[in-house]
Amino acid sequence: EDQVTQSPEALRLQEGESSSLNCSYTVSGLRGLFWYRQDPGKGPEFLFTLYSAGEEKEKERLKATLTKKESFLHITAPKPEDSATYLCAVQDVEKLTFGTGTRLTIIP
Amino acid sequence: EPEVTQTPSHQVTQMGQEVILRCVPISNHLYFYWYRQILGQKVEFLVSFYNNEISEKSEIFDDQFSVERPDGSNFTLKIRSTKLEDSAMYFCASSTQGARGSQYFGPGTRLLVL
Repeated sequence: EDQVTQSPEALRLQEGESSSLNCSYTVSGLRGLFWYRQDPGKGPEFLFTLYSAGEEKEKERLKATLTKKESFLHITAPKPEDSATYLCAVQDVEKLTFGTGTRLTIIP
Repeated sequence: EPEVTQTPSHQVTQMGQEVILRCVPISNHLYFYWYRQILGQKVEFLVSFYNNEISEKSEIFDDQFSVERPDGSNFTLKIRSTKLEDSAMYFCASSTQGARGSQYFGPGTRLLVL
């Protein structure tokens, strides 16, 4: 059974304080690893898809990396508007299996 | 930018009643999905749909659930006889391809079963 574990559960950072979120996974056949942002009461907003170990993708202050067992979402010099829950998911065939997310709070 | 839309945004129903949740996927997408998220829990896969057929479904998606693409734009999830434990946010998603395709989610329908 596919499993996704995200850490930490919650993270509070000062504005401008860089950090990383972790996603470790086990999956029988990884088709892709996905990062989403979710604001309270809203649907997951697509950020990145990573397909193979060593791959990296960037968008504004976010950078996602992938190894054979885990993925990191690095956030550089975050702003208050980056506050959200960040979800990691793995794809086996079509379905996505999600982790419980990291709730990120950026304090001005 | 094209978006997945869902209606209604909120639905309250009595236990045992039928509900239909509606979704309009992104127009050039061919793969469609339903997920749900019980309050405070993970997003869970329900079903995937391609070429007018279910391609994959989870254990949650039992005989009480069905999906349909009644026309060229809508994708629906029907729950025949709702239970209290069906209360959740239901998300529709769509993709241009199945495996390895990025799935784009709608804003969700909050279903409350009383």
